[in-house]
This record gives sequence, C-alpha cells and structure tokens, in this order.
Amino acid sequence: GQNIDQPTEMTATEGAIVQINCTYQTSGFNGLFWYQQHAGEAPTFLSYNVLDGLEEKGRFSSFLSRSKGYSYLLLKELQMKDSASYLCAVKRGGGGSYIPTFGRGTSLIVHP
Amino acid sequence: DADVTQTPRNRITKTGKRIMLECSQTKGHDRMYWYRQDPGLGLRLIYYSFDVKDINKGEISDGYSVSRQAQAKFSLSLESAIPNQTALYFCATSDDLRDTQYFGPGTRLTVL
Repeated sequence: GQNIDQPTEMTATEGAIVQINCTYQTSGFNGLFWYQQHAGEAPTFLSYNVLDGLEEKGRFSSFLSRSKGYSYLLLKELQMKDSASYLCAVKRGGGGSYIPTFGRGTSLIVHP
Repeated sequence: DADVTQTPRNRITKTGKRIMLECSQTKGHDRMYWYRQDPGLGLRLIYYSFDVKDINKGEISDGYSVSRQAQAKFSLSLESAIPNQTALYFCATSDDLRDTQYFGPGTRLTVL
C-alpha cells in the first residue's frame, strides 16, 4: 500500500521562505513529483526527484531522501501569486508500468 | 490551443442519469488517466490506460466505466449518477519517460 502525508495548510509572508514537507510510505517507489494548483484550475508540474538530493529551479527547490521517505518543496522570495495548493505525488510500480498517487495537498496562503 | 481538453466543463444532472465526460489530447501521449478531486481528499485515480488496448482500474473505480476510443480520446462514464459522485474531474496524460502528468482544465459535475 501507500501513504502520503503533507500538512493541510500553511501561511507565510510575502518575500519570505517556506518549506512544505511530504512523507511517504510506499512499495515500488520510482520518483516523487510536486505540482502546483491554483484555486479552480488544473494542477501543473513543478518538480521531479528520483535520486536523493536537491533539485533547484529558480525560486523553487525540491529535496528527496529515499531512505527516509521524505521530500520537501522550498519556495523562496514568496510572492502573492504563490498562494495555491501544493500536491506531492509518488510514482510507484515496476516494469515500465508506473502510476502516481497524490497526497491531499498543502494549501499555502501568502499574505502581505 | 490547449493540449488536453475536457467536455463539458460544467454539468448538473440528476440522480440515476447516465453521464459521459470526454477527454481529448494533442500531446501524442499513450498514457491517459481519470481523477476526481474532492475537498480534503486530494486527487484520486479512477481509471488509467497505457495504450488503446489497455484499461486499468484505479483506486476508486466503482460506479465508473471508461472507453479508450483512440490514442487521443479517453471517456469516463457514470452509468447511474449518485450525489456522492459530485466532484471535480480531471483527465491527464503522461509520457512514458518520467510520467509527468499533464492535466486538462477539469469538469465540475454536480449530481442532485
């Protein structure tokens, strides 16, 4: 089976840094995604980690520790437009047949 | 033009009615998925298809059926709609490299 945990809601101040954590327990782990979803819109891809370590992409970075079943998304220099839900998703399976399982999402509220 | 489209975008129907939600894509991906999203429950996988001849049940397939008419088209049917199927439904595609999910705009379905 699989279990993915992330905080339900976080708040932060414009210009600050926020870290959104995701822990998972799953068999057949083969990568972890982060998606951003603004209210009423579709999720969009932010980052992908399959090996341990940090992946940096502009203001956003994502970290993975496979041995600990842990990932985080780091958002720097927060802007009001970063207010959204952030979804952690684990890819699992094998033999070329991988399916994603999503966490419940973290709603981030950025205030002035 | 959008790469993944869904029709209709909004639908209100009554209990017991048959409903079909349609999804089309121009990304050339073999893999397609149907999800539903409910507040507090995140995205849950209903069905997925890795090619035209491959259909698989996801986490919550009861009460739903699908048809993969072509590589570009994947339809979701509710044979007899019930109120707890009221949700936001997303279609998605993925390539077979990382399996990044590319989502359609969503269909908001209300069953009265």
